[in-house]
Amino acid sequence: GAVVSQHPSRVICKSGTSVKIECRSLDFQATTMFWYRQFPKKSLMLMATSNEGSKATYEQGVEKDKFLINHASLTLSTLTVTSAHPEDSSFYICSARKGQSADSDTQYFGPGTRLTVL
Amino acid sequence: DQQVKQNSPSLSVQEGRISILNCDYTNSMFDYFLWYKKYPAEGPTFLISISSIKDKNEDGRFTVFLNKSAKHLSLHIVPSQPGDSAVYFCAASARYGGSQGNLIFGKGTKLSVKP
Repeated sequence: GAVVSQHPSRVICKSGTSVKIECRSLDFQATTMFWYRQFPKKSLMLMATSNEGSKATYEQGVEKDKFLINHASLTLSTLTVTSAHPEDSSFYICSARKGQSADSDTQYFGPGTRLTVL
Repeated sequence: DQQVKQNSPSLSVQEGRISILNCDYTNSMFDYFLWYKKYPAEGPTFLISISSIKDKNEDGRFTVFLNKSAKHLSLHIVPSQPGDSAVYFCAASARYGGSQGNLIFGKGTKLSVKP
């Protein structure tokens, strides 16, 4: 199997606070994890790619100081939204890939986290 | 510039009939294609994939066809069931293109299967 979990599934916070979202690969080791954001009725937007033990690679337009990513182990990556604002409200989804080789490109997605910033 | 296009935002099909979801791409470096199914407020679920060395891959009720010359792929679901109602995303990656194999997603097609 390839199960990816996310926690929390839903979070409501006040403007200015920081929120941490965890992404775990439960039955495989994920060398690479990805963080996406989905706006209503839009496609998935890749925010950043993280490889275990190294700095994340952020997509153009994504503020690395605002969206802190840590991939400390082969089964856990965290996304911290710092000083959250209402415009950060969105559905955040992580995915994990089993390996870095070109033969393991299938990404398995977590169930997503709904962030609402008041 | 949208590299992966799903031109039909929605599709309605009768239960038991075939559902055909289409996807076009522009980047000739793409060599691996995937279809994901997504319910509201959930993460995408991997359905089926195809490598560019093949033109067809089948898994149960799901078949993906790839036409490289036309840069077109399609997902066939037969027979369609009401539980198939969801948004289907087409995704592509360039495994040897130096992009870390990142997936590029289309905007999705909402499939409704009516009983």
